[in-house]
Amino acid sequence: DAGITQSPRYKITETGRQVTLMCHQTWSHSYMFWYRQDLGHGLRLIYYSAAADITDKGEVPDGYVVSRSKTENFPLTLESATRSQTSVYFCASSESGRKIETQYFGPGTRLLVL
Amino acid sequence: KNQVEQSPQSLIILEGKNCTLQCNYTVSPFSNLRWYKQDTGRGPVSLTIMTFSENTKSNGRYTATLDADTKQSSLHITASQLSDSASYICVVTDTILTGGGNKLTFGTGTQLKVEL
Repeated sequence: DAGITQSPRYKITETGRQVTLMCHQTWSHSYMFWYRQDLGHGLRLIYYSAAADITDKGEVPDGYVVSRSKTENFPLTLESATRSQTSVYFCASSESGRKIETQYFGPGTRLLVL
Repeated sequence: KNQVEQSPQSLIILEGKNCTLQCNYTVSPFSNLRWYKQDTGRGPVSLTIMTFSENTKSNGRYTATLDADTKQSSLHITASQLSDSASYICVVTDTILTGGGNKLTFGTGTQLKVEL
């Protein structure tokens, strides 16, 4: 049972480059989320998706693009990476949008933008 | 602005001892409160979820309490083990996102270290 996986686990890139972080879940969960985790901040929502081809902005969407052509995949793209996007990125999924639903998190991708 | 404040920021205890972590929130409206455990280098893992009508919920040696009137929650860890060393994050659900799904407000976590 693979659950939810992220790749790469670590990435170093340079300012201005495009970077894509991958997220894959094997549960067929409807909802998927992207968060970033920075020191001194709780996890913050970047984008989320309620189903294939349905995405919406979260709290900190600027500089990021997402797509969801298949239920199981939810890639996050940094179109032109900036140093402020150095962070740990977590993908999460939940079966439905019910209030009591648990969100399951992937292992994270550590991104360093030089 | 909805906030979740946790204390202490960090804590060191001896193996076998108990400890209690605190969470205060100003999130409104309130739907439910969750505690997550995050091991170093890993994603958060859910420990408990409580609605506003629940006062306590246990998961093995972890017991969470909730006082919705005072907007406070605690996570009590009994007979700590080395494997309990992690960050414990308090998370509050306030509203449903525009497109559905829960809007979660995360605390910054309490870093717990259990030593021999």
